Amino acid sequence: KAGVTQTPRYLIKTRGQQVTLSCSPISGHRSVSWYQQTPGQGLQFLFEYFSETQRNKGNFPGRFSGRQFSNSRSEMNVSTLELGDSALYLCASSLEVGTPYGYTFGSGTRLTVV
Amino acid sequence: GDSVTQMEGPVTLSEEAFLTINCTYTATGYPSLFWYVQYPGEGLQLLLKATKADDKGSNKGFEATYRKETTSFHLEKGSVQVSDSAVYFCALRMYRGSNYKLTFGKGTLLTVNP
Repeated sequence: KAGVTQTPRYLIKTRGQQVTLSCSPISGHRSVSWYQQTPGQGLQFLFEYFSETQRNKGNFPGRFSGRQFSNSRSEMNVSTLELGDSALYLCASSLEVGTPYGYTFGSGTRLTVV
Repeated sequence: GDSVTQMEGPVTLSEEAFLTINCTYTATGYPSLFWYVQYPGEGLQLLLKATKADDKGSNKGFEATYRKETTSFHLEKGSVQVSDSAVYFCALRMYRGSNYKLTFGKGTLLTVNP
């Protein structure tokens, strides 16, 4: 079966712009989570969506937002980009919120802010 | 709060050497524990898991045992291959508030030379 698909794979944006990243979960998975990965901070949790509702949120400023559609696809948006937002953004899907079996991750979107 | 500490890398080994990557955790309660692997240019893949004390997770020759008394989940492999070169992440998952939360370690880069 198809895995978690993230688009685009690479993005270059200018400071002050906004960006939207997309994540299509594994078919049948209803929970989508987003993580930011940087060399300095490692993997940091952004938010989790289930049935179009945000169920959990990490400690990121309001410039970071997300949503989930009825088909479980999710988007995250970052407004007013800063240089420090350069990172690999990973999406992970799971069957339900709280499954003990871990997530399936996508390959990520590499965002570079210049 | 919950935290995961894993040995800092990079770890460099020769092919067929024995691998140990240490991981300890701090959590109030009984977390599920995971090892994820990230190959160059890819997202994270679940390598193995353990959901209760004394469980042993295993996959692709890798093993880790959930040790409650030492709050550890060390990753081992008896004979590494060049293809095992990747970043390895230890993670725990706990129910917090009204949601599950996944907490990652910083990751350990493993390089295996022929």
